[in-house]
Amino acid sequence: GQQLNQSPQSMFIQEGEDVSMNCTSSSIFNTWLWYKQDPGEGPVLLIALYKAGELTSNGRLTAQFGITRKDSFLNISASIPSDVGIYFCAGHVSGAGSYQLTFGKGTKLSVIP
Amino acid sequence: DVKVTQSSRYLVKRTGEKVFLECVQDMDHENMFWYRQDPGLGLRLIYFSYDVKMKEKGDIPEGYSVSREKKERFSLILESASTNQTSMYLCAIKRTVEAFFGQGTRLTVV
Repeated sequence: GQQLNQSPQSMFIQEGEDVSMNCTSSSIFNTWLWYKQDPGEGPVLLIALYKAGELTSNGRLTAQFGITRKDSFLNISASIPSDVGIYFCAGHVSGAGSYQLTFGKGTKLSVIP
Repeated sequence: DVKVTQSSRYLVKRTGEKVFLECVQDMDHENMFWYRQDPGLGLRLIYFSYDVKMKEKGDIPEGYSVSREKKERFSLILESASTNQTSMYLCAIKRTVEAFFGQGTRLTVV
């Protein structure tokens, strides 16, 4: 199936630093989603983006839907130890029979206290 | 809030056993999915269902089957478990465009 290119694959940062990660695709998406997965748990939806150019925040998290509709990024400001986990992007194409989401492979974030 | 519940957090099964992974949702959503997650490979879709008794193969259906007899329940079946099916299994429902996941089942086949 289709894959999104998510980068970086992993990051080690100091507590208090800002973090940036992104997803790119060769295809257009109508919706971009960002998830976080804590170790041993299922992914949890953080932010949903529905319109090209949209910028949405959720606490210290900010995500943007790229203007070309082929990319999205997620920023985390002032990281804390509980930000540790794997962050996934996902894209959705609207239309009849479009049941699936396409997922990136994830960015594994480690925060050094 | 959407609630997706997987019946087991951890399972250990023997090679050749028939294994059932159960997933239950509480909100009457039509679309349900089973993924497996392995390090470096991301989430891979095994099967999905868009209604009762309806199912579609995903990207890696070999060695698996599914059952959806009631709208709220979607079961993943490993017909004859093998060691290469050791993995994290995630059930999800889809509400309009957003997916919501269960807590995952970590299956080890020995």
